[in-house]
Amino acid sequence: QQKVQQSPESLSVPEGGMASLNCTSSDRNFQYFWWYRQHSGEGPKALMSIFSDGDKKEGRFTAHLNKASLHVSLHIRDSQPSDSALYFCAARFSGGNYKPTFGKGTSLVVHP
Amino acid sequence: GGIITQTPKFLIGQEGQKLTLKCQQNFNHDTMYWYRQDSGKGLRLIYYSITENDLQKGDLSEGYDASREKKSSFSLTVTSAQKNEMAVFLCASSPRGGEDTQYFGPGTRLLVL
Repeated sequence: QQKVQQSPESLSVPEGGMASLNCTSSDRNFQYFWWYRQHSGEGPKALMSIFSDGDKKEGRFTAHLNKASLHVSLHIRDSQPSDSALYFCAARFSGGNYKPTFGKGTSLVVHP
Repeated sequence: GGIITQTPKFLIGQEGQKLTLKCQQNFNHDTMYWYRQDSGKGLRLIYYSITENDLQKGDLSEGYDASREKKSSFSLTVTSAQKNEMAVFLCASSPRGGEDTQYFGPGTRLLVL
């Protein structure tokens, strides 16, 4: 069973718009969440991590974690064509040693 | 800063062939990882290593071997390539492990004829 579920699978937003990506854990024993971004032909790069309930903002990117609902989201405001990429949510669960678990990804397209 | 180098960038193999992929990092990170990425399936962990000469199986280790010869390098062997297999293999490293952000290489693209 996939422990980390991402939605939607794909998303299209206009340039300047807000993109919202979601990630839900099926295991309550998560400890850490990360968001990674992967442009075509490259390896993933970390955008941000979040460990505590609430919001974490880095520039145009805001992550929100709600531990009670096992849900983390990523919001990208003022989306740019360069934000078009695959976005992965990753989580580490207690007892998992160093094994992070990745979701299947959300493909974001920002159209001019 | 640092960098992760993966060789080769592209690998074309024959069915049944043993294929080796290499990864080098100059971050001086302790932990290294190998992932397989297939379209629509995200990243699946094959092997990881928390220190030199350590080896831990991931969720997809069957059909693969790995070796952490020294702190800076981690190699992955496909023991018997499957016909029509096509995937990207990603190497990553992190300073310590579970709570640390991972840094990824550009990937090796495998095609088996």
